[in-house]
Amino acid sequence: EAAVTQSPRNKVTVTGGNVTLSCRQTNSHNYMYWYRQDTGHGLRLIHYSYGAGNLQIGDVPDGYKATRTTQEDFFLLLELASPSQTSLYFCATAGDNQAPLFGEGTRLSVL
Amino acid sequence: GDSVTQTEGLVTLTKGLPVMLNCTYQTTYSPFLFWYVQHLNEAPKLLLKSSTDNKRTEHQGFYATLHKSSSSFHLQKSSVQLSDSALYFCALRHNAGAKLTFGGGTRLTVRP
Repeated sequence: EAAVTQSPRNKVTVTGGNVTLSCRQTNSHNYMYWYRQDTGHGLRLIHYSYGAGNLQIGDVPDGYKATRTTQEDFFLLLELASPSQTSLYFCATAGDNQAPLFGEGTRLSVL
Repeated sequence: GDSVTQTEGLVTLTKGLPVMLNCTYQTTYSPFLFWYVQHLNEAPKLLLKSSTDNKRTEHQGFYATLHKSSSSFHLQKSSVQLSDSALYFCALRHNAGAKLTFGGGTRLTVRP
């Protein structure tokens, strides 16, 4: 069964800390996405990728890096975390012309 | 760039009444539209996806029709249930790229 697995599910860090959020898929989908969800803003696209080694900038990329190391794995990196990055983060994957499938989310708190 | 607008942030209805959640979009490409539903503390899940222009698609009692002439894909249900209480997102994708753009979401609350 197709799956999108995010880890960790919850993370607490301090301002200036270094955080890596992981996303792994078993769908063989080309497209992978990172979104953040905040009350009043809906789902906002941070970065996305259409294959290993590819990276596309989303709508709210500032303060975030991403890397697609393999077809299955997509990482979101916060190298100097700030309280404004406290949010719920979702990874999603999609095949060509398909509706994206979401992971269960990672709740990040930056103190 | 692409954009999706959901005009209602919050909709509150009594069980058994009909509902329509608005979704309009802007893109210069041929669009694919989706509705996602997100229950509390869960991930967004696909509810509906658009078909061809002016064709209705249905799932779990919800339905929507893509109207390219008005750039709309409104979500409807004839009789809401308590379990329909959730956050609903409209989203746009086109075949000229991978980007998926979401509207701001509409929170539907159904009262007994």
